[in-house]
Amino acid sequence: NAGVTQTPKFQVLKTGQSMTLQCAQDMNHNSMYWYRQDPGMGLRLIYYSASEGTTDKGEVPNGYNVSRLNKREFSLRLESAAPSQTSVYFCASSFSAGTGGNEQFFGPGTRLTVL
Amino acid sequence: GEDVEQSLFLSVREGDSSVINCTYTDSSSTYLYWYKQEPGAGLQLLTYIFSNMDMKQDQRLTVLLNKKDKHLSLRIADTQTGDSAIYFCAPNSGGYNKLIFGAGTRLAVHP
Repeated sequence: NAGVTQTPKFQVLKTGQSMTLQCAQDMNHNSMYWYRQDPGMGLRLIYYSASEGTTDKGEVPNGYNVSRLNKREFSLRLESAAPSQTSVYFCASSFSAGTGGNEQFFGPGTRLTVL
Repeated sequence: GEDVEQSLFLSVREGDSSVINCTYTDSSSTYLYWYKQEPGAGLQLLTYIFSNMDMKQDQRLTVLLNKKDKHLSLRIADTQTGDSAIYFCAPNSGGYNKLIFGAGTRLAVHP
């Protein structure tokens, strides 16, 4: 049971380049989330997917797109990277997006630097 | 938007108790979580409390909730060097399982 896995672990991009961050979970969870973590700040929600086939914007969606490929996989795409997107990106999953005390399980993170 | 505030740094001696405080603004939060992040790692759930509870104890961890003042605290008894990490308070918000994170409290445990 790997839990939540993310690839790559590290990435350096030049301004304007594009890339996709991959996330997969093997816990049969319905809901998945993408967060970014910046120094001195808490995690901020970028996008989430309450269930397969649905995606919704979070607090900071500008500059990102997401795809819920299937129940297991949720990818985050930067179409034209900017230095302001330098951050650590975390993927998380939970059994559902309801308020029934659904613990979110986090991946190890992807450290992205945009030059 | 909703907000969560935590003190940024706490230093304690090994064996003492640590108390990490958190205030939040969303009065509709039903579950309030505490996560731990070790260097270079993802977040690990420590414990959580349901909004109709005042206190929850889980081994060395005690969570206190004052819903009226929207104040949450995490007490770690007999703090060990392995407890050194960043601790995040994260109430849910908006009627969904969306979590609002504080900036985190860095706990440093010294001999």
